[in-house]
Amino acid sequence: DIQMTQSPSSVSASVGDRVTITCRASQDISTWLAWYQLKPGKAPNLLIHGASKLQSGVPSRFSGSGSGTEFTLTISSLQPEDFATYFCQQGNIFPAFGGGTKVEIK
Amino acid sequence: QVQLQESGPGLVKPSQTLSLICSVSGGSISSGSYYWNWIRQPAGKGLEWVGRVYTNGDPDYNPSLKSRVTIALDTSKNQFSLRLSSVTAADTAVYYCAKNYYDSSGYSLRAFNIWGQGTMVTVSS
Repeated sequence: DIQMTQSPSSVSASVGDRVTITCRASQDISTWLAWYQLKPGKAPNLLIHGASKLQSGVPSRFSGSGSGTEFTLTISSLQPEDFATYFCQQGNIFPAFGGGTKVEIK
Repeated sequence: QVQLQESGPGLVKPSQTLSLICSVSGGSISSGSYYWNWIRQPAGKGLEWVGRVYTNGDPDYNPSLKSRVTIALDTSKNQFSLRLSSVTAADTAVYYCAKNYYDSSGYSLRAFNIWGQGTMVTVSS
């Protein structure tokens, strides 16, 4: 099984800050990596697929990069609606998620 | 646009079987070649892929849950189901159904772009 290690588990930031979240795969997954935003009581929202492809309707302040085993989600200028929990997901044979990163207000 | 909605008991006793339904609207579950998934999130923990069923009815399960999980299509009702047997408190979670994301050629992008709102299931006596 491919394990996903996500860091940090939480980050405190202010509106306007740049936030970077990292995900590491236990083996090469090429660019089969997606990022999601979760808010309580709402359906998860796909932000990025294919490691760097921005999902339609997602603001351009979100970006993804990486390939192989190292991946990054960056929020270039944090907005109030971005305070949420973020998960990475590998799309190999059987999907698996990272542990999540909670972005909190500083 | 396809929409998903989970339903089922919110409380299940230990050792019993958890049963959930995902109702699909805005499209036929039996058209195309798609994966329909169950994913869960225990309180305070990360997301865990439970398993999926293909349009032809073939399932795949998370190896860690395989001995207890059954996922099946019901094309007559346009829904798919999850059954998890011998539940314990560790199975307490929000359960989501989700559809794989496909490009215009029908190729799976190996992500989930359509999700239900989730349903909370508590395992307790």
